[in-house]
Amino acid sequence: AQSVTQLDSQVPVFEEAPVELRCNYSSSVSVYLFWYVQYPNQGLQLLLKYLSGSTLVKGINGFEAEFNKSQTSFHLRKPSVHISDTAEYFCAVSGCDNYGQNFVFGPGTRLSVLP
Amino acid sequence: DAGITQSPRHKVTETGTPVTLRCHQTENHRYMYWYRQDPGHGLRLIHYSYGVKDTDKGEVSDGYSVSRSKTEDFLLTLESATSSQTSVYFCAISDPGGLQPQHFGDGTRLSIL
Repeated sequence: AQSVTQLDSQVPVFEEAPVELRCNYSSSVSVYLFWYVQYPNQGLQLLLKYLSGSTLVKGINGFEAEFNKSQTSFHLRKPSVHISDTAEYFCAVSGCDNYGQNFVFGPGTRLSVLP
Repeated sequence: DAGITQSPRHKVTETGTPVTLRCHQTENHRYMYWYRQDPGHGLRLIHYSYGVKDTDKGEVSDGYSVSRSKTEDFLLTLESATSSQTSVYFCAISDPGGLQPQHFGDGTRLSIL
């Protein structure tokens, strides 16, 4: 079955600095990749998704992610973060393998933007 | 914002009692999901529904049942709650073309003492 790894459980960064949140997934014949954001006491919101085409995907709030098939990665980046970006970020993958189609979330990365 | 309402938003109950959580949507979406969120695990799928009276199990379905008698409502029931079911529960919806849950409710924080 599909699995998703987010190596960093917490990432502190200063305001206006760049940030990269890492995501790796288990290989599959074909995958679709997603990033969600969860603000405190709220549900998840879809930030961006990769289905096909250009490997660089732009999302809301200035975030972007790059799909790298050879490294089975889908890292999330933002060139300059704001205090309001403090939240938990989840990578997710939808793929088809020997067990069928499934959708799996990673464990999450908590981004803390410091003044 | 997508119209998804979860009730109750908070609940504290005792081990062995039955608990029902409700998810109500106003989007007329076909797919509805129940997830639980626990530290270090992300969100894990409990059950999902692909239509009225059409449901299937997810990754962590043991101890849970669901029902969907109307398009807009998806109920999650813990027949006999256990402390391991203390968690935050999220409902999500997606339309027929969606590959993934698209809109989430604000969650129900459930504590089993």
